[in-house]
Amino acid sequence: ETGVTQTPRHLVMGMTNKKSLKCEQHLGHNAMYWYKQSAKKPLELMFVYSLEERVENNSVPSRFSPECPNSSHLFLHLHTLQPEDSALYLCASSQESVRVGYGYTFGSGTRLTVV
Amino acid sequence: KQEVTQIPAALSVPEGENLVLNCSFTDSAIYNLQWFRQDPGKGLTSLLLIQSSQREQTSGRLNASLDKSSGRSTLYIAASQPGDSATYLCAVPSGSARQLTFGSGTQLTVLP
Repeated sequence: ETGVTQTPRHLVMGMTNKKSLKCEQHLGHNAMYWYKQSAKKPLELMFVYSLEERVENNSVPSRFSPECPNSSHLFLHLHTLQPEDSALYLCASSQESVRVGYGYTFGSGTRLTVV
Repeated sequence: KQEVTQIPAALSVPEGENLVLNCSFTDSAIYNLQWFRQDPGKGLTSLLLIQSSQREQTSGRLNASLDKSSGRSTLYIAASQPGDSATYLCAVPSGSARQLTFGSGTQLTVLP
């Protein structure tokens, strides 16, 4: 257990479905992130939440909708996805401070397949 | 824009060998550098975090060094074992330090 828990581990959905990915961190961190990892590509940042407020959105399509109800929970709501959205979605957390120097802790990921 | 490069992309060694994985970054104004391990289809496990003021960090058979001025870090693995087989990723915070920029990774295979 890494301290960051993601559910479900695997998800298969049709292009017309609506589903949600869940992330929970037990580390007392104040920032949470969604990353996407596609085959043969470096990890890409999707969303950043700091103190429950979204601070960065790296031009992610609107079919991905994040939600951060509190500092321990992060969701990624999915709707009308495309097959190219199939990837490993990773959640991470960190402790932001004036003295930046803390590392990131990642969850085990959700393997998403869009059919 | 920060760019992170890892060499080699893949490495296959016999068990027991000592090996070095390389990571380079273009913007030397980093706060820290983090090495991760990723097993196939799994999440990332943090191995070592080196602060910008440090030269190296050690954990068991792993030793990571950081040379900010030259934009380089190395991960040294001593006495490699088949269980070390995985993809190794290095990452640096960039921009507002809220974004980690990753290299493409080195896929390591340790043969028994």
